[in-house]
Amino acid sequence: EAQVTQNPRYLITVTGKKLTVTCSQNMNHEYMSWYRQDPGLGLRQIYYSMNVEVTDKGDVPEGYKVSRKEKRNFPLILESPSPNQTSLYFCASSVTAGESTQYFGPGTRLTVL
Amino acid sequence: GQQVMQIPQYQHVQEGEDFTTYCNSSTTLSNIQWYKQRPGGHPVFLIQLVKSGEVKKQKRLTFQFGEAKKNSSLHITATQTTDVGTYFCAGRNFGNEKLTFGTGTRLTIIP
Repeated sequence: EAQVTQNPRYLITVTGKKLTVTCSQNMNHEYMSWYRQDPGLGLRQIYYSMNVEVTDKGDVPEGYKVSRKEKRNFPLILESPSPNQTSLYFCASSVTAGESTQYFGPGTRLTVL
Repeated sequence: GQQVMQIPQYQHVQEGEDFTTYCNSSTTLSNIQWYKQRPGGHPVFLIQLVKSGEVKKQKRLTFQFGEAKKNSSLHITATQTTDVGTYFCAGRNFGNEKLTFGTGTRLTIIP
């Protein structure tokens, strides 16, 4: 089944404790992206990747890192999480960045205490 | 930077009434997409509009892209309880691979 998976789905952590949210797609998509969703603010892009080893900042990249060492995986890293990073995070992928449909993962709800 | 505004933020309608959400961009778009997110779920692609003045229909849903390619609308005729969710537009600028999402319109249906 074609899908985007994220892990974990739920995470409660404390300020400053490094964490990684994994994202994997099995559709051989070139383009992958991370969003955070907050009430009243919609979906804001954190980072995106056009292809392996090619990443770029979105609208709200501060406090986040990403890597794209292989096509299927695009982990989101929070080196030192803070409470303002409490949010719902979505990973998405598409065939290319141009006009393609984006397929979203199920989401990761992160709480930073 | 590009901004995409969406109104209204919330809409409550009686089942069977019509519903419309509007999307406005501060810049001319190369294309616009619409997504639906059910409560507790993830955004799911509905449609993409590319041409100026384009109109597309999916059963009870009608999507329009403005002549200037700066605004778009989604209209649902005779809403049903299955239409509940948040509807997002997402616009892409020319030469920019980034997709900018609107703030979304949350639709609730009163049975």
